[in-house]
Amino acid sequence: QQPVQSPQAVILREGEDAVINCSSSKALYSVHWYRQKHGEAPVFLMILLKGGEQKGHEKISASFNEKKQQSSLYLTASQLSYSGTYFCGTEDGGSNYKLTFGKGTLLTVNP
Amino acid sequence: KAGVTQTPRYLIKTRGQQVTLSCSPISGHRSVSWYQQTPGQGLQFLFEYFSETQRNKGNFPGRFSGRQFSNSRSEMNVSTLELGDSALYLCASSPGRGRIRETQYFGPGTRLLVL
Repeated sequence: QQPVQSPQAVILREGEDAVINCSSSKALYSVHWYRQKHGEAPVFLMILLKGGEQKGHEKISASFNEKKQQSSLYLTASQLSYSGTYFCGTEDGGSNYKLTFGKGTLLTVNP
Repeated sequence: KAGVTQTPRYLIKTRGQQVTLSCSPISGHRSVSWYQQTPGQGLQFLFEYFSETQRNKGNFPGRFSGRQFSNSRSEMNVSTLELGDSALYLCASSPGRGRIRETQYFGPGTRLLVL
């Protein structure tokens, strides 16, 4: 089942902060975050693993609540380059070697 | 290292035809996953291959098939094309050492238009 992302879209001014949420109804092993700019391939941002391990970019932070099967991506002091569509992908116990992606959150950062 | 490459980048086909898309993973990566991306459904998992074996498959009809070669390159085939198959098809590679808890690196995609 597809994870649910919120909000669907957000508009920021440069320098503002944003939080993007990802929620699943299944027990998760990991949550992956990607950003896709228009006409380009998705680019890896962060992996959060069950147990607390995280791997990702230095300027991006995220959390993973294993009990609630929720993850949040925190974008602070946003820059114009942060604009794009953010996807979370989840790996659950019954789906080996498969990521199920949410429908995405469109983030627009204006000057 | 060279990134994931996909060919062709753009393709126009008519209903009923078949199409084959190709993906070359990053050197040393043994896992290749395929996704269909459409505005309405987002990124949907098609299948994943590792060492020439399909390890998981998404909820797509049997018209969608794939394979992986011994050099880890992968192809996907769609037979009897339908208008709804118009989409961006993305492949992603990862080392494939274990479960999918690894970074996947996406290729630029093949944009398929079915008329």
